[in-house]
Amino acid sequence: DGGITQSPKYLFRKEGQNVTLSCEQNLNHDAMYWYRQDPGQGLRLIYYSQIVNDFQKGDIAEGYSVSREKKESFPLTVTSAQKNPTAFYLCASSIDGRNSNQPQHFGDGTRLSIL
Amino acid sequence: KQEVTQIPAALSVPEGENLVLNCSFTDSAIYNLQWFRQDPGKGLTSLLLIQSSQREQTSGRLNASLDKSSGRSTLYIAASQPGDSATYLCAHSGSARQLTFGSGTQLTVLP
Repeated sequence: DGGITQSPKYLFRKEGQNVTLSCEQNLNHDAMYWYRQDPGQGLRLIYYSQIVNDFQKGDIAEGYSVSREKKESFPLTVTSAQKNPTAFYLCASSIDGRNSNQPQHFGDGTRLSIL
Repeated sequence: KQEVTQIPAALSVPEGENLVLNCSFTDSAIYNLQWFRQDPGKGLTSLLLIQSSQREQTSGRLNASLDKSSGRSTLYIAASQPGDSATYLCAHSGSARQLTFGSGTQLTVLP
């Protein structure tokens, strides 16, 4: 089945440690997104990529980094500079990021906690 | 700065009742308004997307409307079922072509 796979489902980070969240899609979508969701809040955009080898900062990019070396993959690294990383992280994709009238498809998320 | 507000934050209704969820947005430049469903601990599922040129969209028991002049959208759920229990989020796509999400309405349908 086509879809978006996020791994791991749960992740724990020690102080000063960088961790990487995986996002893979087999929908052949050009655009991919990373969002952060805090309890009782909506999603906030961290980074997005409209095409391979290109990505843009979203509203809350500080303390995060991404890469887009392959169309199917858009990993997110939470660096030690992110002082409040505990949250639910969601990855999404859409057919064409330049056409906002295409719906975004979401993975099942990764829950990151601090040890 | 674009803001999207959803009221109420939580709603509990008996099975079979029709209900309306509300979404308001501040940015009058709108490309579309999207409604999503989120089950606990899961990602979002797209329900309906209303383009700026449209007034409403329907899918099964769901109907979403868009009023650009007042900056409001509503999601109407007919004949609610316990399986409809979830958090419903609206998202506005505006001049930046990115989605701004509301904080959601947590719906509980009681059997």
